[in-house]
Amino acid sequence: GAGVSQSPSNKVTEKGKDVELRCDPISGHTALYWYRQSLGQGLEFLIYFQGNSAPDKSGLPSDRFSAERTGGSVSTLTIQRTQQEDSAVYLCASSPYIPRTLNAVNTEAFFGQGTRLTVV
Amino acid sequence: DAKTTQPPSMDCAEGRAANLPCNHSTISGNEYVYWYRQIHSQGPQYIIHGLKNNETNEMASLIITEDRKSSTLILPHATLRDTAVYYCIVRLLNSGNTPLVFGKGTRLSVIA
Repeated sequence: GAGVSQSPSNKVTEKGKDVELRCDPISGHTALYWYRQSLGQGLEFLIYFQGNSAPDKSGLPSDRFSAERTGGSVSTLTIQRTQQEDSAVYLCASSPYIPRTLNAVNTEAFFGQGTRLTVV
Repeated sequence: DAKTTQPPSMDCAEGRAANLPCNHSTISGNEYVYWYRQIHSQGPQYIIHGLKNNETNEMASLIITEDRKSSTLILPHATLRDTAVYYCIVRLLNSGNTPLVFGKGTRLSVIA
């Protein structure tokens, strides 16, 4: 497929369990982003990858949340000891590389359909 | 990045033009205006962006005032499928891949 793919599309888990959410970005996109959207709320930034490194992980809400990216491609968001407040849609997006130089034109971010996580 | 202000909700009759305003009074000269939308149960989708000139593509038109302090996204013939939350985002020209920051957006309801 040509788009950003996320799996699973839905996940129900018991409180206290660990979960892993997967994101397959568009091939060749070096930038990858994770966002969270709670019911009826806006998009909350979690973490951003450039290649395999994460220049900005300022949005991760607690140390129960972690993410990694390997091979500059697939990323996994892991939530340990899930809590009910972790219930949300987790969205992944990717973009081609854009240098931070003057006159470098920003381009669009492509979003996946998200993983709906429900903690019961 | 500069802050934006949008009305929380708007209605539009099907087939009519939808005009969605955005205020960005603190925008600087090297900041672009971006628009995304999020249809229910889907990820956000890019619509259009511009710096100072008006822009048009197959989805919409973007009108930016001469002083750049506000802009309007125009959907020329709104359909029921255009019902979504529309986000106006201001972003530095040379911000590279730094993440988009989404506000609360405008919930547009297109009514038959």
